[in-house]
Amino acid sequence: AQSVAQPEDQVNVAEGNPLTVKCTYSVSGNPYLFWYVQYPNRGLQFLLKYITGDNLVKGSYGFEAEFNKSQTSFHLKKPSALVSDSALYFCAVRDINSGYSTLTFGKGTMLLVSP
Amino acid sequence: SAVISQKPSRDICQRGTSLTIQCQVDSQVTMMFWYRQQPGQSLTLIATANQGSEATYESGFVIDKFPISRPNLTFSTLTVSNMSPEDSSIYLCSVDYVGKETQYFGPGTRLLVL
Repeated sequence: AQSVAQPEDQVNVAEGNPLTVKCTYSVSGNPYLFWYVQYPNRGLQFLLKYITGDNLVKGSYGFEAEFNKSQTSFHLKKPSALVSDSALYFCAVRDINSGYSTLTFGKGTMLLVSP
Repeated sequence: SAVISQKPSRDICQRGTSLTIQCQVDSQVTMMFWYRQQPGQSLTLIATANQGSEATYESGFVIDKFPISRPNLTFSTLTVSNMSPEDSSIYLCSVDYVGKETQYFGPGTRLLVL
């Protein structure tokens, strides 16, 4: 079975400071990893993904994430936070070695960026 | 990426009634999914809908409560039957393309059951 853990319910950061939203995963094979963002009263928007290759992946709105296989982590980062980044962030995983597998989501982390 | 629309965007319903949610995609997709997001919670997969076959339901979800149709490669419906206040959630449609790794989501339908 695959699973995702987002250990923080909420992350608070001041505008202009770097931000990190943590994610760890568990799969039996090799993972596909994703970050999605949900703004208030909106659906989920795809931010970025790791499939293979470079461990540092870049995505939309200046976000990036680093895949660390030994730590089974895929933390979301941004060098300089904006107030408009305040939203709910979900990490998700699927196991590519299990044939077709569905996405499993973490519980979400609320990011609050203060002015 | 796909352009996905859902109707209605929100609704307030009475206990015991049913609501059908529509999901329309701007291109043909192989797999469509329905998720539920209860207040303050993460996403839970209800079922996978493939065209031409019965939907596959996840544990805890049954066809009598959440019947799904997939008449073609661009459209699906989810019905929430005999609703109770516990069904108050956001219901999201998502799509997947063969050979593509990313799943894309619709804007969601916000349902409140009184």
